[in-house]
Amino acid sequence: QIVVTQEPSLTVSPGGTVTLTCASSTGAVTSGNYPNWFQQKPGQAPWALIYSTINKQSWTPARFSGSLLGDKAALTLSDVQPEDEAEYYCLLYYGGAWFFGGGTKLTVL
Amino acid sequence: QVQLQESGPGLVKPSGTLTLTCAVSGGSISTSDWWTWVRQPPGKGLEWIGEINHSGSVNYKPSLKGRVTISVDKSKSQFSLKVNSVTAADTAVYYCARKDVVWKNFDYWGQGTLVTVSS
Repeated sequence: QIVVTQEPSLTVSPGGTVTLTCASSTGAVTSGNYPNWFQQKPGQAPWALIYSTINKQSWTPARFSGSLLGDKAALTLSDVQPEDEAEYYCLLYYGGAWFFGGGTKLTVL
Repeated sequence: QVQLQESGPGLVKPSGTLTLTCAVSGGSISTSDWWTWVRQPPGKGLEWIGEINHSGSVNYKPSLKGRVTISVDKSKSQFSLKVNSVTAADTAVYYCARKDVVWKNFDYWGQGTLVTVSS
């Protein structure tokens, strides 16, 4: 069973920068795992932010960016806004199946 | 743009079968895209269940294989999810979504529907 691990929680100040990571129990995350990132606010459906590691949706604010950082996938938020407070999930592909991380609760304080 | 809408019973009895449908509008279900089911138990994280394409090819989460069936009805522009032998652990908000075949982009999602397993 593949386990995808994210930081359970992070706190950032408004205007600051924060990086969320996504690790796999199988080893290094690569572009071949097609990392996706989603934002979810309470009571709402997930909102797609990033696909295939670095690509933004047409609606994704410029302050969000995706990358590979060492052996993990990463989501960086720059100039964080109060409305960025939410749960963030990564999603990775392995051999015909997809696996979500446990989510990172981002607090803007 | 593509819109997805889940529908189905909100309450299912233990050991019964959960059946949900996702209606696709604003685009064709017969493209090369994949149509996906994801669920989220109350207060917990997201779980990918499985996916189907227009020709009926399917992929399932390994731990759910054997209990889950996804099918597509192109004439009605919808796809469906069945989960057999449900227990309280299957209580969740169920989402349908579209995945672009080239970029593996899960771009469009339904708003989700809560299914509770209880007697």
